[in-house]
Amino acid sequence: GENVEQHPSTLSVQEGDSAVIKCTYSDSASNYFPWYKQELGKRPQLIIDIRSNVGEKKDQRIAVTLNKTAKHFSLHITETQPEDSAVYFCAASIAGAGSYQLTFGKGTKLSVIP
Amino acid sequence: NAGVTQTPKFRVLKTGQSMTLLCAQDMNHEYMYWYRQDPGMGLRLIHYSVGEGTTAKGEVPDGYNVSRLKKQNFLLGLESAAPSQTSVYFCASRFPWEGETQYFGPGTRLLVL
Repeated sequence: GENVEQHPSTLSVQEGDSAVIKCTYSDSASNYFPWYKQELGKRPQLIIDIRSNVGEKKDQRIAVTLNKTAKHFSLHITETQPEDSAVYFCAASIAGAGSYQLTFGKGTKLSVIP
Repeated sequence: NAGVTQTPKFRVLKTGQSMTLLCAQDMNHEYMYWYRQDPGMGLRLIHYSVGEGTTAKGEVPDGYNVSRLKKQNFLLGLESAAPSQTSVYFCASRFPWEGETQYFGPGTRLLVL
């Protein structure tokens, strides 16, 4: 089955700096890669996703890049703010496989220091 | 719309007791999922369902059973709880088409003593 590795497990940045979280996946058939943000005590919520026919996607201060050859994808957050502090999870899925199961990375705890 | 809801929010069980966690969604989603979340382990899929009356095993199904008798409900059962099942359980649902988002419930915190 699919295996998703996520690094780093913890990340501290100064407010205003950029943060980068990286994930690698094992199954070359995976073609859908969402990122979820989970605030303390809350449910995971989708913040951005990317499909294999796209190399990069941006949404305001958040961007995701995908390198299918190397089987890795990254989340970039620019101009970080204290409210960006949370745990971020990457995931991979084989779209069209019937169940759209997501395999998650183990998460990155991002702390933005004011 | 309430979205995805879970009952109960928190529960304490003794080893060997049984319980059922209820997930309900009012978005007419076909697919539903149960995950467990443990510190440093991310979210791991327990069981899932692609429609009413269907269920399938995920990554960590042992010790759990599920049922999907109604489209809007997905039940997760623990027949004989063990301390290793202490976790936060999340339910999720989505439409069956490519590109749809998986929506999560608020979670159920379970402590097995």
